[in-house]
Amino acid sequence: DAGITQSPRYKITETGRQVTLMCHQTWSHSYMFWYRQDLGHGLRLIYYSAAADITDKGEVPDGYVVSRSKTENFPLTLESATRSQTSVYFCASRTSGGASNEQFFGPGTRLTVL
Amino acid sequence: QKEVEQDPGPLSVPEGAIVSLNCTYSNSAFQYFMWYRQYSRKGPELLMYTYSSGNKEDGRFTAQVDKSSKYISLFIRDSQPSDSATYLCATLTQGGSEKLVFGKGTKLTVNP
Repeated sequence: DAGITQSPRYKITETGRQVTLMCHQTWSHSYMFWYRQDLGHGLRLIYYSAAADITDKGEVPDGYVVSRSKTENFPLTLESATRSQTSVYFCASRTSGGASNEQFFGPGTRLTVL
Repeated sequence: QKEVEQDPGPLSVPEGAIVSLNCTYSNSAFQYFMWYRQYSRKGPELLMYTYSSGNKEDGRFTAQVDKSSKYISLFIRDSQPSDSATYLCATLTQGGSEKLVFGKGTKLTVNP
């Protein structure tokens, strides 16, 4: 399927466990982003990537690790999950250039850390 | 102060009402202004996009930017129940970081 997909869509884990959220896009977009969305905070950028092997921190990177070995994939890993990382996580992508700067969002992953 | 401020609402209106959604921002370097719409349990999707000041109209939706007062607005005419969603404003500097700065979102309910 064309577009941007995230897996899993729902995840329940326990404090201290490692969790990896997957993001895949089929457009060959240069830029990819990870956000978390929480009540009262809106969308906050965790990490982003301008191209394969280029990543940079966003507003709330602590406790998260990303990698981008292939253009189409941008996994997000919680090395040791904490309850404060319970959230809805959105992956997004966009092309470089372009007038609209539109980011295309995935459907989200609902993560619960017990 | 957060770079983009948005009243989270919630906002509830009757069908057919004119809706006004607003954001303020603090960074005068912002040049691109967007409105995203997010339905419940879905990812945000771009609704409107404007560059610099002025108005942009698309059907029942009008986006307005006033750079002198650092104010962003989205107007919805003849609102429909299908407009019920969370609306997020977002901004971006020109030629700078690719990072969008989002408001917290306003939840809108249009009652039939």
